[in-house]
Amino acid sequence: EVQLEESGGNMVRPGGSLRLSCAVSGFTFDDHGMSWVRQVPGKGLEWVCEINWNGGSTGYADSVKGRFTVSRDNGKKSLYLQMNSLRDEDTALYYCARNQLFGSGSDYWGQGTLVTVSS
Amino acid sequence: QSALTQPASVSGSPGQSITISCTGTTSDVGGYNQVSWYQLHPGKAPKLMIYDVTNRPSGVSNRFSGSKSDNTASLTISGLQAEDEADYYCSSYTSRSLRVFGTGTKVTVL
Repeated sequence: EVQLEESGGNMVRPGGSLRLSCAVSGFTFDDHGMSWVRQVPGKGLEWVCEINWNGGSTGYADSVKGRFTVSRDNGKKSLYLQMNSLRDEDTALYYCARNQLFGSGSDYWGQGTLVTVSS
Repeated sequence: QSALTQPASVSGSPGQSITISCTGTTSDVGGYNQVSWYQLHPGKAPKLMIYDVTNRPSGVSNRFSGSKSDNTASLTISGLQAEDEADYYCSSYTSRSLRVFGTGTKVTVL
């Protein structure tokens, strides 16, 4: 069974940093690209970033570029999101998602981890 | 990187068909056959319903179908059921090698 479990969400002050993790199981992790997507409570989905199978290629939304860094450890079957210079508007539920092997969608998602940026 | 435009809400009676539109530009929806649709029920993880404009993942009901014309993609739900009541989001690959989601549509089953 494919499983993704996010962790690391917390409350942090503006300007602070946080590192999210996503542990996966039930599939060959290094076959797949992975994504982070966030949802402000009561609002819509926002694509944050993605990383290819070996970490050699990444892409970021303009809203987080230069502040967030996505990485992965295939040996540990884990995906990470280092978030620096956090802003109030980064407050959201952060999901990790598995990108399809053949297709442009994300076919498995975790339950999300909540990040709250507040003074 | 503006969000794709979706209607805020769509409603229908059980058994009816409804269509949700997703309008972008030639730099995203119109330029690539890489549009996906996701279903969100409150408190649950998003579920992929359609990928690459028209394809259904294994396990997704064939009541869900996708299409695209120019810069607008569409999700049609036929034979509407109570369990289809949820939020739906489209997503597209973009010319900057990024991805963008739609504004989201709340589907209500009357």
